[in-house]
Amino acid sequence: AQKITQTQPGMFVQEKEAVTLDCTYDTSDPSYGLFWYKQPSSGEMIFLIYQGSYDQQNATEGRYSLNFQKARKSANLVISASQLGDSAMYFCACTFGTSYGKLTFGQGTILTVHP
Amino acid sequence: NAGVTQTPKFQVLKTGQSMTLQCAQDMNHEYMSWYRQDPGMGLRLIHYSVGAGITDQGEVPNGYNVSRSTTEDFPLRLLSAAPSQTSVYFCASSYVSRYTEAFFGQGTRLTVV
Repeated sequence: AQKITQTQPGMFVQEKEAVTLDCTYDTSDPSYGLFWYKQPSSGEMIFLIYQGSYDQQNATEGRYSLNFQKARKSANLVISASQLGDSAMYFCACTFGTSYGKLTFGQGTILTVHP
Repeated sequence: NAGVTQTPKFQVLKTGQSMTLQCAQDMNHEYMSWYRQDPGMGLRLIHYSVGAGITDQGEVPNGYNVSRSTTEDFPLRLLSAAPSQTSVYFCASSYVSRYTEAFFGQGTRLTVV
């Protein structure tokens, strides 16, 4: 079965430090897309970053980068220079094969940034 | 640009009542979907559609109906609400492409008493 696992229910980080949020996925399909979304306390879902299974380089978007280790089936989100506004729930999600748009989500990680 | 618009934002229903959650997008996306979010479980797919007239079931379809008569609209119907359907519901849309993200509505917090 295709599955996304986020093993960290909660994470704490000091402002201005970097933090890594873990995500592993389980699929036998060679083609997939990995996404990270942020959900602040206001509830909306905000897209952060995307990594395709055939991409050779790790994706980066500003302070967000994705540490993609294909052999280990992991797609960890790295947030550099954390800000107070980064406190939120973070979801890892994946589309498998040709099921474009059909996202499978992990359980989420609550990140708290301390001043 | 409105993006994905969901209504209502909050709703309280009595067990057995029916209602429709509305979802509209103005980005000409082919793909639309409904998810429910429950604590500790992430978001789970209820129903989805790859275009007008085409719908299919997701992971948790029981108790919900959908239809897609236009590209823009994808309403979700609860036929006979149950307390187990208390949840936050999200509508999303995207292009049918591996490389593009899904855009989400603001969510509907539904309580069934």
